[in-house]
Amino acid sequence: DIVMTQSPESLAVSLGERATINCKSSQSVLYSSNNQNYLAWYQQKPGQPPKLLIYGASARESGVPDRFSGGGSGTDFTLTISSLQAEDVAIYYCQQYYTTPRTFGQGTKVEI
Amino acid sequence: EVQLLESGGGLVQPGGSLRVSCAASGFNFNNYAINWVRQAPGKGLEWVSGISGSGRRTLYTDSVKGRFTISRDPSRNTVSLQMNGLRADDTAVYFCAKDILAGDPEGPFDYWGQGTLVIVSS
Repeated sequence: DIVMTQSPESLAVSLGERATINCKSSQSVLYSSNNQNYLAWYQQKPGQPPKLLIYGASARESGVPDRFSGGGSGTDFTLTISSLQAEDVAIYYCQQYYTTPRTFGQGTKVEI
Repeated sequence: EVQLLESGGGLVQPGGSLRVSCAASGFNFNNYAINWVRQAPGKGLEWVSGISGSGRRTLYTDSVKGRFTISRDPSRNTVSLQMNGLRADDTAVYFCAKDILAGDPEGPFDYWGQGTLVIVSS
């Protein structure tokens, strides 16, 4: 199985400041035939299901604010919130869908 | 509007069985893979099982192989997860989630249900 490791486990950021979450996969999730990274990011607020933010490492899902951006390739990825808003307080998960089982990182808690 | 609605959770004794279901609406059900993802209390997310849009391909995580069976009923737009031989570590909220792309269960998940709680305890 591909192991996804996120850092840090928790992060406290002031309103309006930048938050950066890292995700490292135990093997590359870059599919060479189409040059796509099979990496997604989700946001989960308390008592709610996860919400897809980013797929393909950097493609923003429809309706997701542009303060959320994803980057990286191969085994190292980042999720950046450029200007943290109060409603961004949540746990963020990365997920690889390069192979089965589709594995998640352990989550990063973002607080104000 | 895409909607996924889980049902069937509850309290079951170790070794027992339970069937959870996911009723889907708002999209072409026969085109998209549906998955089950679980979350133990206070823990992270774990993909459990997926079924292709056609129903011909099913996938499972190793810890549930031989105990859980996923199926879909196109006449009712429903995906079910039959869980046998339940163990305490199966206790979790079980979410159903739709693949973003049509076909096999291979992509990320663009829509999720609210989840149904399964508790395995004596």
